[in-house]
Amino acid sequence: DTEVTQTPKHLVMGMTNKKSLKCEQHMGHRAMYWYKQKAKKPPELMFVYSYEKLSINESVPSRFSPECPNSSLLNLHLHALQPEDSALYLCASSPLSGSTDTQYFGPGTRLTVL
Amino acid sequence: LAKTTQPISMDSYEGQEVNITCSHNNIATNDYITWYQQFPSQGPRFIIQGYKTKVTNEVASLFIPADRKSSTLSLPRVSLSDTAVYYCLVGVNSGGYQKVTFGIGTKLQVIP
Repeated sequence: DTEVTQTPKHLVMGMTNKKSLKCEQHMGHRAMYWYKQKAKKPPELMFVYSYEKLSINESVPSRFSPECPNSSLLNLHLHALQPEDSALYLCASSPLSGSTDTQYFGPGTRLTVL
Repeated sequence: LAKTTQPISMDSYEGQEVNITCSHNNIATNDYITWYQQFPSQGPRFIIQGYKTKVTNEVASLFIPADRKSSTLSLPRVSLSDTAVYYCLVGVNSGGYQKVTFGIGTKLQVIP
């Protein structure tokens, strides 16, 4: 299995809602990443988990809350979002096999905040 | 993190070879160069990675000069399905994760 899966594929939520994005991989990768991508822009790193511990938080607002329950699963909890948070949210994983590495990306969750 | 510079867009006819050059003047000694392809509303997909000289796989070649301050992704005989955004990244595993930053990417349009 060489796939990163993300659910849901699309999500529409109001500014007062609480929702969660889910990411899963079964490749034994020990690093997992959340990226945010606005239209016609490159992906921007939000969070990195390494060995199930949060390693990087790129000054992301607290209305985004990541969680890594185990080595295969990564969640992003959303609360009180703003319309400008509408974007494609990408999850990725990497094996951390030595100095060279590649990230495997999921298909993304298209989030719309009304 | 090393910053990368790429052309914003390129056009090519089907069947031609396409070369996309990326500048990374402040690449660090331990950094690797990686290229990703992204179709609209999909996650980026790994194409090729290298450290120096030339690397070739079934889809592309990567040319890296001795000073490593630039790299060129070569796509042989492109087809319409190669229309996508191509990102050049430099980075290395450090502190238990891969430290890379996506540049603006090059939007390749293949014309029939």
